[in-house]
Amino acid sequence: NAGVMQNPRHLVRRRGQEARLRCSPMKGHSHVYWYRQLPEEGLKFMVYLQKENIIDESGMPKERFSAEFPKEGPSILRIQQVVRGDSAAYFCASSPLSGTGTDTQYFGPGTRLTVL
Amino acid sequence: KNQVEQSPQSLIILEGKNCTLQCNYTVSPFSNLRWYKQDTGRGPVSLTIMTFSENTKSNGRYTATLDADTKQSSLHITASQLSDSASYICVVSEGGNKLVFGAGTILRVKS
Repeated sequence: NAGVMQNPRHLVRRRGQEARLRCSPMKGHSHVYWYRQLPEEGLKFMVYLQKENIIDESGMPKERFSAEFPKEGPSILRIQQVVRGDSAAYFCASSPLSGTGTDTQYFGPGTRLTVL
Repeated sequence: KNQVEQSPQSLIILEGKNCTLQCNYTVSPFSNLRWYKQDTGRGPVSLTIMTFSENTKSNGRYTATLDADTKQSSLHITASQLSDSASYICVVSEGGNKLVFGAGTILRVKS
């Protein structure tokens, strides 16, 4: 049973380009979470999705950022018109249930986005 | 503002020694507290999860404690190994879908 997969592991974009980050949850997990980690800081919650639904996007910037988790395929975090401040590590986590109790969230290895 | 504060920021110990990492939180309401280990360049890995009613929980050489009254937690590592070198992150759940992460304590174990 493979763990949470994220790709690419490293992504370099120029200002104004689009970045698409992919996350494949663990087999059997239908809940996906995206987090952002800036250098020297803790992870910050961005968005929580179930299949085909966004449950909580309160941590995601209102502009330029969007996320989806389609019925088939990986979850996608999309950043349009990237700026240098978007440079960070983006982690995806998955859980079999909602993660609201003591359910563990399993993290992927992260995608390190660098905006030139 | 809900916060999770960890101390020390970084720590260097000799292999075989014990150490204790601290976590203070102001997250409310409180559902559970988790400790994660994050190796450089990797995602966090869960070590322990404790609910309000649990005071201590062990996972091998890792022992976490929780005082919900003072809103403090500690992670004790016994007989440290070189592979324990990592960032240790205290994470508090307020009962919803979001986890509040501390900035982590960077531990380096030297031979």
